[in-house]
Amino acid sequence: DSGVTQTPKHLITATGQRVTLRCSPRSGDLSVYWYQQSLDQGLQFLIQYYNGEERAKGNILERFSAQQFPDLHSELNLSSLELGDSALYFCASRAHEGIYTEAFFGQGTRLTVV
Amino acid sequence: GENVEQHPSTLSVQEGDSAVIKCTYSDSASNYFPWYKQELGKRPQLIIDIRSNVGEKKDQRIAVTLNKTAKHFSLHITETQPEDSAVYFCAAGGLMEYGNKLVFGAGTILRVKS
Repeated sequence: DSGVTQTPKHLITATGQRVTLRCSPRSGDLSVYWYQQSLDQGLQFLIQYYNGEERAKGNILERFSAQQFPDLHSELNLSSLELGDSALYFCASRAHEGIYTEAFFGQGTRLTVV
Repeated sequence: GENVEQHPSTLSVQEGDSAVIKCTYSDSASNYFPWYKQELGKRPQLIIDIRSNVGEKKDQRIAVTLNKTAKHFSLHITETQPEDSAVYFCAAGGLMEYGNKLVFGAGTILRVKS
């Protein structure tokens, strides 16, 4: 167990809908990363938050947004869902913004858009 | 932004042989290079990492090498065992103007045949 909790584990929804994925980082970790894992594209970096602030952006679509709350949990919001958004979404947490710290991954949320 | 390329995408080896996975990165400011292993249905987990001021690091059957001039780094697994079968991801990390990026390669599926 990495200490990073993601809910829900599975989500099935229809095209055009909006969903929210939740991530609770390891106790004390201030930094949260979101990744999308599709079959043919590995781990695509979406966005990073540190202590409630957005810090770095990757290939995140405008239909997607995220936030980190004062208790440090984070939510990834996906709207106007398309079939191609079906993927495994991981969050990972790191202790602080130190460059060399390990990223611990949650179990992921598998999103299926039908 | 940072781009990490990983090769090969799949690798089959006989048990006991060595396996080598190679990655290249684009951002010369990257200075942290972790490797993650993802077993089927599980989360990615760190197996070894290397910092930019080090050329090589070993941990039992696993070693990483880094060539900063050429911007490439490699994972070497010796005496492979069936339990080494998994997807391996390389990553490049470092400070951005704001935040602390961690960008992954597309992954290598390693199959160890017994």
